[in-house]
Amino acid sequence: EDQVTQSPEALRLQEGESSSLNCSYTVSGLRGLFWYRQDPGKGPEFLFTLYSAGEEKEKERLKATLTKKESFLHITAPKPEDSATYLCAVQGGSEKLVFGKGTKLTVNP
Amino acid sequence: DADVTQTPRNRITKTGKRIMLECSQTKGHDRMYWYRQDPGLGLRLIYYSFDVKDINKGEISDGYSVSRQAQAKFSLSLESAIPNQTALYFCATSRGLASYNEQFFGPGTRLTVL
Repeated sequence: EDQVTQSPEALRLQEGESSSLNCSYTVSGLRGLFWYRQDPGKGPEFLFTLYSAGEEKEKERLKATLTKKESFLHITAPKPEDSATYLCAVQGGSEKLVFGKGTKLTVNP
Repeated sequence: DADVTQTPRNRITKTGKRIMLECSQTKGHDRMYWYRQDPGLGLRLIYYSFDVKDINKGEISDGYSVSRQAQAKFSLSLESAIPNQTALYFCATSRGLASYNEQFFGPGTRLTVL
């Protein structure tokens, strides 16, 4: 059974304080690992897809990396507007996405 | 901008009532999905459809049914609503191609069953 575990559940940072979110996964035949951002009461917003170990993708202050067992979302010099819940999901042979429970990030000014 | 829309955005209903949530998309995607989100449980898949003639049960389909009326429309029904179906419901779409598996989500429907 495909599984995704995200840590920490919540993270509080000061503006400019860089950190990383973790997504550990087990999947049969990884087809893709996905990161989403979700603001309260809104639908998840797609950020990145990673397909194979060693792959990295960047967007503004966010950088996602992938190994065979986990993915990291690095946030460099975060701003208050980066506050959101970040969701990780994997897609295996079944082609369905399995989501983690998310990391709630709060960036204080 | 091509989009995924959901109606209604909010709904309060009573136990035993029949409810339909609707999803429309202008992305031209073949695949559509219904999820529910509960605090502490994350997003869970209810039903999914890879094309108009294909409907599949997800992780938590009991108490729900779906209809794929067209490529662009996918409806979720609660035949007899119960309080533990109170949740945020999201529709999503994807192209389903090997290198484009990401799903795009609608804004959600907040459903409360009293």
